[in-house]
Amino acid sequence: DAKTTQPPSMDCAEGRAANLPCNHSTISGNEYVYWYRQIHSQGPQYIIHGLKNNETNEMASLIITEDRKSSTLILPHATLRDTAVYYCIVRSTSGTYKYIFGTGTRLKVLA
Amino acid sequence: ETGVTQSPTHLIKTRGQQVTLRCSSQSGHNTVSWYQQALGQGPQFIFQYYREEENGRGNFPPRFSGLQFPNYSSELNVNALELDDSALYLCASSSWTETYGYTFGSGTRLTVV
Repeated sequence: DAKTTQPPSMDCAEGRAANLPCNHSTISGNEYVYWYRQIHSQGPQYIIHGLKNNETNEMASLIITEDRKSSTLILPHATLRDTAVYYCIVRSTSGTYKYIFGTGTRLKVLA
Repeated sequence: ETGVTQSPTHLIKTRGQQVTLRCSSQSGHNTVSWYQQALGQGPQFIFQYYREEENGRGNFPPRFSGLQFPNYSSELNVNALELDDSALYLCASSSWTETYGYTFGSGTRLTVV
């Protein structure tokens, strides 16, 4: 199972873009990259996922490098409510679809 | 869409006791996974059930066991509770065939004293 590496913490000014990096250098061809966030020890909340191409939804954008060894989650206009722990996860599309969580990045959005 | 519901939300047990945690999967989901999250850590995979059969297990001892019912609801049972079992227990459901990802419940906070 591929592992991910994320910075332990980041700060971002409210209204600015938050760029959260993730390294997954051992990712396999059939593994997707997922991003979740967790606020105040609630259950993790799905944000976005992708395989090879960049993805965008109403919450965020996901940029995956061409070699797929790293990715960046972009929150285009961070708000105070985006303060959370963000987890980058790789998940296989075969076998057990378990998530292997790291310790995540604690993002603090500053007013 | 009702989401994933877990009960109870909080629980206090004594070391050596047994506990059962419950989870109602999101409508249409046939796969359920359980995770343990210690304070300050990321969630750790316990096991997964698909169509009432366990089909994946993390590095947890046999005293952690589970069930999935025909309506795809699920239980997590922990026997002989230890102090280190104190954690947030998360249930997550998904459809086996989709890549959308898991929907997590809000968890059960278990404290073992």
